[in-house]
Amino acid sequence: NAGVTQTPKFRILKIGQSMTLQCTQDMNHNYMYWYRQDPGMGLKLIYYSVGAGITDKGEVPNGYNVSRSTTEDFPLRLELAAPSQTSVYFCASRPLSLRVAEAFFGQGTRLTVV
Amino acid sequence: DAKTTQPTSMDCAEGRAANLPCNHSTISGNEYVYWYRQIHSQGPQYIIHGLKNNETNEMASLIITEDRKSSTLILPHATLRDTAVYYCIVRVPGNQFYFGTGTSLTVIP
Repeated sequence: NAGVTQTPKFRILKIGQSMTLQCTQDMNHNYMYWYRQDPGMGLKLIYYSVGAGITDKGEVPNGYNVSRSTTEDFPLRLELAAPSQTSVYFCASRPLSLRVAEAFFGQGTRLTVV
Repeated sequence: DAKTTQPTSMDCAEGRAANLPCNHSTISGNEYVYWYRQIHSQGPQYIIHGLKNNETNEMASLIITEDRKSSTLILPHATLRDTAVYYCIVRVPGNQFYFGTGTSLTVIP
C-alpha cells in the first residue's frame, strides 16, 4: 500500500514549456486534490476532484488543467510554464466517507521555472 | 468554511508541553476543527480533529472552548521531531481543506 505517489520529485522547466505532474493513489479514494505551496506560505488549493470524470476549481486554478479519467490518477498539467508557477506541488486524497477525517498527502513535487 | 487565526511562530523547550492556540470566532455549528502539521516541506500530516468535545489520541490533545470560538492543540511532551508548521483548519465534513499560514513551532533542546 503505497498511499499517494507523486512524480517527479524535482523538475526544472524553462518559461513556456509544458509538463504534467503525476499523482496516483492506491487507496480507492474518491476525493483527490492538488495544492501548491510557495516558500514560507501555506498550501493553496488548485483543483480537486470528487470522483472519476468530475473536477472543479480551487483557489488558484489559473495556468493549470486537470483530468480524472480513473479513480487512481489525477494528473496536473502546466501548459505554458511561468516563473510564478515555481512552487512545491502536493497531491492529496481522501475517501468518500465523512467519518474518515484525514486527507493523505504525497511527498510533493518541487518545480522551478526559469 | 470559517477562517482561523494562529500565531506565526512559537518556541517550546524539549520535554515540555507545547500549547498551540487557534482562533475561529466565526465557526458554525456543523464545522469541525482539524489540525495538520508539515515537517520540513514534507506533505502535511493529519494530527487530530474535533467538533465540541475535547479529543485525545496518541499524538496530541485538542481542547475546544465551550463557545467553540477557539481551540488549543497540546503536544504533551514535545520532542525535536515535533518541530514543524502546524495548521488549524475549520471545515464542514465533505468540504475541501483550505490551509492558512499556520504556526511554526520550534522545539528547543
